[in-house]
Amino acid sequence: AQSVAQPEDQVNVAEGNPLTVKCTYSVSGNPYLFWYVQYPNRGLQFLLKYITGDNLVKGSYGFEAEFNKSQTSFHLKKPSALVSDSALYFCAVSPYTGGFKTIFGAGTRLFVKA
Amino acid sequence: DVKVTQSSRYLVKRTGEKVFLECVQDMDHENMFWYRQDPGLGLRLIYFSYDVKMKEKGDIPEGYSVSREKKERFSLILESASTNQTSMYLCASSSISPGNSYEQYFGPGTRLTVT
Repeated sequence: AQSVAQPEDQVNVAEGNPLTVKCTYSVSGNPYLFWYVQYPNRGLQFLLKYITGDNLVKGSYGFEAEFNKSQTSFHLKKPSALVSDSALYFCAVSPYTGGFKTIFGAGTRLFVKA
Repeated sequence: DVKVTQSSRYLVKRTGEKVFLECVQDMDHENMFWYRQDPGLGLRLIYFSYDVKMKEKGDIPEGYSVSREKKERFSLILESASTNQTSMYLCASSSISPGNSYEQYFGPGTRLTVT
């Protein structure tokens, strides 16, 4: 079965430190990979995507993600966390042959302490 | 910027009521989606539509129906609301035009409470 796993329910990091939010997936073929962010009381916002090419993709708000095909992972990273980065982050995968159906992970809540 | 709007931010309904949730997008997107979001479960797809009057069941369609009479509008209907349908409902849209990669644009959500 196709699935997306975010192994950490919560990630805590101090402001100014690097952060990583983990994501692994189990989808056949070459899927499209996404990260979305949800700030309190708001809908999800698209953050970044990997389609093909360079394994390191850059997105909004200084975030980047590293695609690793052999480990089927797509971890979200930021070199220096801000308190305003505190939010709920979702990894998502869209099977290449689909396009319609996107599989979302359960979400990881990021807390950045000042 | 893509804008997806939902008719209500908060809604309280009684068990057995028929509930309509409306979603409108202004970017001429072909695809539209309804999800429910529950803590620890992420987003689960209820229904999606890839064209006017076309619809496909998602992972949890039971107890729901949808309507898409116009390209920009996608409605979710709870035929007879039950307490286990208390949730956050998110609408989204995406484009399948060449050069797009299916990222979805979400509305602010409707928090539905069924009592």
